[in-house]
Amino acid sequence: DAGVTQSPTHLIKTRGQQVTLRCSPISGHKSVSWYQQVLGQGPQFIFQYYEKEERGRGNFPDRFSARQFPNYSSELNVNALLLGDSALYLCASSLGIGSYNEQFFGPGTRLTVL
Amino acid sequence: KQEVTQIPAALSVPEGENLVLNCSFTDSAIYNLQWFRQDPGKGLTSLLLIQSSQREQTSGRLNASLDKSSGRSTLYIAASQPGDSATYLCASSGGGADGLTFGKGTHLIIQP
Repeated sequence: DAGVTQSPTHLIKTRGQQVTLRCSPISGHKSVSWYQQVLGQGPQFIFQYYEKEERGRGNFPDRFSARQFPNYSSELNVNALLLGDSALYLCASSLGIGSYNEQFFGPGTRLTVL
Repeated sequence: KQEVTQIPAALSVPEGENLVLNCSFTDSAIYNLQWFRQDPGKGLTSLLLIQSSQREQTSGRLNASLDKSSGRSTLYIAASQPGDSATYLCASSGGGADGLTFGKGTHLIIQP
């Protein structure tokens, strides 16, 4: 079975632009979470979605938004990009809601903001 | 607010050595603790997950222990190999929909 997939692999944007990142969870998993990992740091939680609804949100500005589709795939949108948004964006899927479910991570999308 | 700390930040040892990576957390009310491996520029690979009711988990040459009362977890790697070189991250779960809380990781280099 395929693991968590993310697209694109790499992305370069300029300040002020908008970006959309995509994630497909492991088959059968209904929950998707998004994390931001800045170089040299551990991942920081952004959102968790379950059954198409936002169930948890980390300490990120409203420029960050996400949604989950009926097939449980998800998109993360970031508006008005800042240099500080440059990071590896990781998607994780799990069977159910709640971080106590084992999380399985995708390969990430490397976003560079110039 | 949960804080997770990993010591050391970096470690370089000769091949064949047994080693211990440390993880500490400030709030002992965790649901589970998960250890991950991350290769440069890549995603996270889950290594071991310890439920709060468990004391340890083993997978091959890896053994992870959990002591909730002291707020500590350790990852033991036996007979290290150059292929073990990577960054190792620990993450705690509070059980809710608030995501995992990660440490900054231990960057491990195994010298051939």
